[in-house]
Amino acid sequence: AQTVTQSQPEMSVQEAETVTLSCTYDTSESDYYLFWYKQPPSRQMILVIRQEAYKQQNATENRFSVNFQKAAKSFSLKISDSQLGDAAMYFCASQEDSGYALNFGKGTSLLVTP
Amino acid sequence: DARVTQTPRDKVTEMGQEVTMRCQPILGHNTVFWYRQTMKQGLELLAYFRNRAPLDDSGMPKDRFSAEMPDATLATLKIQPSEPRDSAVYFCASGYRGTEAFFGQGTRLTVV
Repeated sequence: AQTVTQSQPEMSVQEAETVTLSCTYDTSESDYYLFWYKQPPSRQMILVIRQEAYKQQNATENRFSVNFQKAAKSFSLKISDSQLGDAAMYFCASQEDSGYALNFGKGTSLLVTP
Repeated sequence: DARVTQTPRDKVTEMGQEVTMRCQPILGHNTVFWYRQTMKQGLELLAYFRNRAPLDDSGMPKDRFSAEMPDATLATLKIQPSEPRDSAVYFCASGYRGTEAFFGQGTRLTVV
């Protein structure tokens, strides 16, 4: 079964600075999908960014980008020019192409300070 | 604007009572997930369905939890009997494999 590990329970960043959240995963398959979701205090889960494992190019969405290292099974999220509204829980998730289970890590709580 | 709807948003119940949580997935989505979120365990995948058929419910305590999809517009998660350790936020999500899973607002369950 696929597992997702987020080793940083909490992170802190100053406004306008850059922060990187770590994620590693374990899968025996070559085709899979990786996601980062954000959960603000409202508890709504919001997709931040998505990566297809067969694509070598790292996904980017405005200030959010990933560093996808397939051999190392690493999928980190970089937030540039951090804003107060980025403060939230961030969850990394994976889904194998052969199945449907969408498994999440335990999350990283991001604090953004003025 | 299509969205996943969960009811109730909050539920307080006494230990031993039956609890039913409902979810209306986005029409057309073929995959439905149920998750439980706690501070300690994070987001646990309890069960999921494809085209209304249960694929895996190994994440659920079998003796007290059950999940069903009686039709394409309704998924239910039942706990009978409920226990204080079941207190958590329960999320339903729907989508297609490999694409964004859309989440409901969750049901915050408190068992006293």
